[in-house]
Amino acid sequence: EAQVTQNPRYLITVTGKKLTVTCSQNMNHEYMSWYRQDPGLGLRQIYYSMNVEVTDKGDVPEGYKVSRKEKRNFPLILESPSPNQTSLYFCASSLLPLTSGSEQYFGPGTRLTVT
Amino acid sequence: LAKTTQPISMDSYEGQEVNITCSHNNIATNDYITWYQQFPSQGPRFIIQGYKTKVTNEVASLFIPADRKSSTLSLPRVSLSDTAVYYCLVNSMDSNYQLIWGAGTKLIIKP
Repeated sequence: EAQVTQNPRYLITVTGKKLTVTCSQNMNHEYMSWYRQDPGLGLRQIYYSMNVEVTDKGDVPEGYKVSRKEKRNFPLILESPSPNQTSLYFCASSLLPLTSGSEQYFGPGTRLTVT
Repeated sequence: LAKTTQPISMDSYEGQEVNITCSHNNIATNDYITWYQQFPSQGPRFIIQGYKTKVTNEVASLFIPADRKSSTLSLPRVSLSDTAVYYCLVNSMDSNYQLIWGAGTKLIIKP
């Protein structure tokens, strides 16, 4: 089954404790993105990747890091989480560039709480 | 830079056709319009994508007028399972590329 998986699905952590949210897709897609979703603010792109070792900032990259060492995986790293990073996070992948309006496949989401 | 505006919520009844309109007044020539559906506790799911005129697939139609300043997602004969939040997205090439998401329209279908 074609899918995007994320782990963990739920995470409660404390300020300053480094964490990684993993994302994996089995569709051989080149393009992958991370979003955060907050009430009233909708979806905002954090980072995206066009291929292995090629990443770029989205709208809200501050406080986040990503890496793309393999095509299927695109982890999101919070080196020093803060309470304002409490949010619902989604990973997504697509076969074609997003500029073409390409269909994105989203993961199930990771709900992060930073206290 | 394109900005997307859509109604916060809408109600309808089973079997009716539902039209959700998204306004994107500053859409640029090369921008595409995409619509997604999201159920609680799930990631958004692609519905349809278009550039101009009308696009139809097995679940929805997308109408885009000639000036492209708005788009309308049409859901034929809705059922209770169509209750969800619907997002309009403009894939903008302006400002070195941005994704302009609408805030979402919460659609509630009543029996």
